[in-house]
Amino acid sequence: YELTQPPSVSVSPGQTARITCSADGLANKWFHWYQQKSGQAPKLVIYEDVKRPSGIPERFSGSSSGPMATLAISGAQVEDEADYYCYQSDSTDGNVFGPGTKVSVL
Amino acid sequence: EVQLVESGGGSVQPGRSLRLSCAASGFVFDDHPMHWVRQAPGKGLEWVSGINWNGYNMGYAESVKGRFTVSRDNAKNFVYLHMDRLTIEDSAFYYCAKGSQEYASSWYGQFDDWGQGTLVTVSS
Repeated sequence: YELTQPPSVSVSPGQTARITCSADGLANKWFHWYQQKSGQAPKLVIYEDVKRPSGIPERFSGSSSGPMATLAISGAQVEDEADYYCYQSDSTDGNVFGPGTKVSVL
Repeated sequence: EVQLVESGGGSVQPGRSLRLSCAASGFVFDDHPMHWVRQAPGKGLEWVSGINWNGYNMGYAESVKGRFTVSRDNAKNFVYLHMDRLTIEDSAFYYCAKGSQEYASSWYGQFDDWGQGTLVTVSS
């Protein structure tokens, strides 16, 4: 079971960054998104497709349609530069991360 | 505040064993599954193993199945990863992660919080 992400996304400050994640199966599973800044542990930014954990800025949003999900960062800031990983989990295919997308804000 | 503190990493020769520990605090430990996720330097994230709330239900990635064993001590708020027959490909930062309470009875689901990781280097 695999998740596919673009290797990199670049945006100017204030623009919207969109990161896609595509699953190779048809099963309807939740998508979750993790942010990992350089030298730091990952942090959950979106869970169950669209939910934002406490403390995550409103500029982070998630959406999904079938086997594809999108993480959007509206009004991206320099501090949002990081690697972003999508993730899915269930009892059939186990716990799977996407390969990660490097977001540059410059 | 949730805190997850990993320890036990270090340098080890191929074929040897190592045990990682994760000390948890700031939440009701036995309400949550716990996981280990690793990341080779410069590479992506790989889920390694998970254990349900009472320690009776465990899951492993294919790459470590039969070599790694996860366990937990709910009296001490610790989760462990015992790694046998280590190979160079096991070299990575190993993160302890707190699973979502919604999946307490299983070893899947998302990870709400992460530790800072401990580095394992397997080299001859």
